[in-house]
Amino acid sequence: KNEVEQSPQNLTAQEGEFITINCSYSVGISALHWLQQHPGGGIVSLFMLSSGKKKHGRLIATINIQEKHSSLHITASHPRDSAVYICAVILLTGNQFYFGTGTSLTVIP
Amino acid sequence: DVKVTQSSRYLVKRTGEKVFLECVQDMDHENMFWYRQDPGLGLRLIYFSYDVKMKEKGDIPEGYSVSREKKERFSLILESASTNQTSMYLCASSLSGAYYNSPLHFGNGTRLTVT
Repeated sequence: KNEVEQSPQNLTAQEGEFITINCSYSVGISALHWLQQHPGGGIVSLFMLSSGKKKHGRLIATINIQEKHSSLHITASHPRDSAVYICAVILLTGNQFYFGTGTSLTVIP
Repeated sequence: DVKVTQSSRYLVKRTGEKVFLECVQDMDHENMFWYRQDPGLGLRLIYFSYDVKMKEKGDIPEGYSVSREKKERFSLILESASTNQTSMYLCASSLSGAYYNSPLHFGNGTRLTVT
């Protein structure tokens, strides 16, 4: 069983749609990351949060520590948002990161 | 900006060859990690290092070894490459200490094919 579960696995949206990607985890964490991976492999950290909500441009990330759940929202989606979005958690017990299997997002013009 | 550089984007090797994957970071980060990424399995930790000459096994260390002789460089070694090691390999680094304040910085990945 994976400690970090993401949904959906795949998502196709029309340009302009509001998108939500969910992440649930089953262990105690000190923080959660949302990562973005474009075709070709490189991974970029979008957000790191341990409580509440963060916003950067059209991206919003929220976390509910009690419910062990986080969401990544994209407002007014654009084809350049097409990528794999990965949720990663840092365990309370160590310095390791655990990763979800990713959500592949395709935004159609 | 932190830069994590992996020496090769694509690599093709034969079964049984010894393979070296190199990773260099330029921000004096203590922690460095090697992951492999496979479809449906996500990122899995092979080894990590929290200091020069220190290393810890991750979830899937079998068939791999690592070397960290200098702080900025972390090498992954496949002692005798096998076809089941065909994968995308990603190096990452982060600061030590308060990990919740230390994002991971990734290299662009090396896609290794073992034939």
